[in-house]
Amino acid sequence: EAGVVQSPRYKIIEKKQPVAFWCNPISGHNTLYWYLQNLGQGPELLIRYENEEAVDDSQLPKDRFSAERLKGVDSTLKIQPAELGDSAVYLCASSLHNPVGQGGTGELFFGEGSRLTVL
Amino acid sequence: GNSVTQMEGPVTLSEEAFLTINCTYTATGYPSLFWYVQYPGEGLQLLLKATKADDKGSNKGFEATYRKETTSFHLEKGSVQVSDSAVYFCALSSSNTGKLIFGQGTTLQVKP
Repeated sequence: EAGVVQSPRYKIIEKKQPVAFWCNPISGHNTLYWYLQNLGQGPELLIRYENEEAVDDSQLPKDRFSAERLKGVDSTLKIQPAELGDSAVYLCASSLHNPVGQGGTGELFFGEGSRLTVL
Repeated sequence: GNSVTQMEGPVTLSEEAFLTINCTYTATGYPSLFWYVQYPGEGLQLLLKATKADDKGSNKGFEATYRKETTSFHLEKGSVQVSDSAVYFCALSSSNTGKLIFGQGTTLQVKP
């Protein structure tokens, strides 16, 4: 079974340019997450989707970041315009969301990430 | 709010040494606790988990016990190998959202 697929793996852009990341979750997983991982830090949630609906986007900087998950499958994360501080790894994860108390495993499956460098 | 604190790294050990990576948490309610591992060049993957107090998660020789009284979930392995070199993340999730909150990660380097 294919895992979570992200592209591009690496992206180098100049500040003020736009950038987009794409994620294809594991087939059948209804919950999709975008996490931000700064160097030497743990991942931090940006946005969580259940099917097409963004159910938690409280940590997404909405002035420059946007995300969508059309048809409840693939998702894109966009930054426009990018700033120097956006240099980081952007992780996508998916899960079959049944809460642990309802028979779910609580496990998230992560892609390899997209490493962004803003010059 | 919920948070996770891990011991700072890097941790450098010789092969076959005993490993402990400390993890403590702050949470309301009864979270589930996880250890994720990130090998060089790979994505994060689940190593083990525990969903209630006194549960012990185990996998690949690693163990961690959910200690509610000390709010801890320390990772242990009796004999590490070079192939265990990776970054280890402790995480918690609330039982009804699946949202993971991670610690800052601990880098483990095992030397032959």
